[in-house]
Amino acid sequence: EPEVTQTPSHQVTQMGQEVILRCVPISNHLYFYWYRQILGQKVEFLVSFYNNEISEKSEIFDDQFSVERPDGSNFTLKIRSTKLEDSAMYFCASSVGDSGNQPQHFGDGTRLSIL
Amino acid sequence: ELKVEQNPLFLSMQEGKNYTIYCNYSTTSDRLYWYRQDPGKSLESLFVLLSNGAVKQEGRLMASLDTKARLSTLHITAAVHDLSATYFCAVDRDFGNEKLTFGTGTRLTIIP
Repeated sequence: EPEVTQTPSHQVTQMGQEVILRCVPISNHLYFYWYRQILGQKVEFLVSFYNNEISEKSEIFDDQFSVERPDGSNFTLKIRSTKLEDSAMYFCASSVGDSGNQPQHFGDGTRLSIL
Repeated sequence: ELKVEQNPLFLSMQEGKNYTIYCNYSTTSDRLYWYRQDPGKSLESLFVLLSNGAVKQEGRLMASLDTKARLSTLHITAAVHDLSATYFCAVDRDFGNEKLTFGTGTRLTIIP
């Protein structure tokens, strides 16, 4: 079964450094998302992306965050200057685009640790 | 702001017993999703409920949706240890392919 893949599985970064999280959505999916989950807490929406542009973003997704689809397969989340509170599990998800009759499919996540 | 609440937050139950997890939400959405998360793992889709009165079953799990009450339930029948996980409900705003707002999660532990 097709799946969303994310790399790396774990990223350790010094505060203030830039980090790029990578995702390969399912190939025929049209909508892409990033969510994060701070340890022990619920999953929070960051941003959705469709037709090569951001369709919605949350308050968490400030100027330090950006997303890009640099080619036909990758979808990246960049954090320009990381803060301690950015430590979390980041999940990429994709959906096929049939008005929500199918669920969003999630990758295994990238655990981001900011030191 | 859309709010999604689950209860209980923690549930410890013995194998063979039945129990129900509740998910209340604050908007008039007809779409509700249930996901399972094992520790340190991703979110696995369990059910997609798309209309009032929808009921879906898979093995020992059954999910239902009452859009008038803004309530979904996830019922566990004759629990087995393999069902130990955290269960999340999630709601979007009825247009599909939009952001999901997740509930707080219910951490379920099945005791042999």
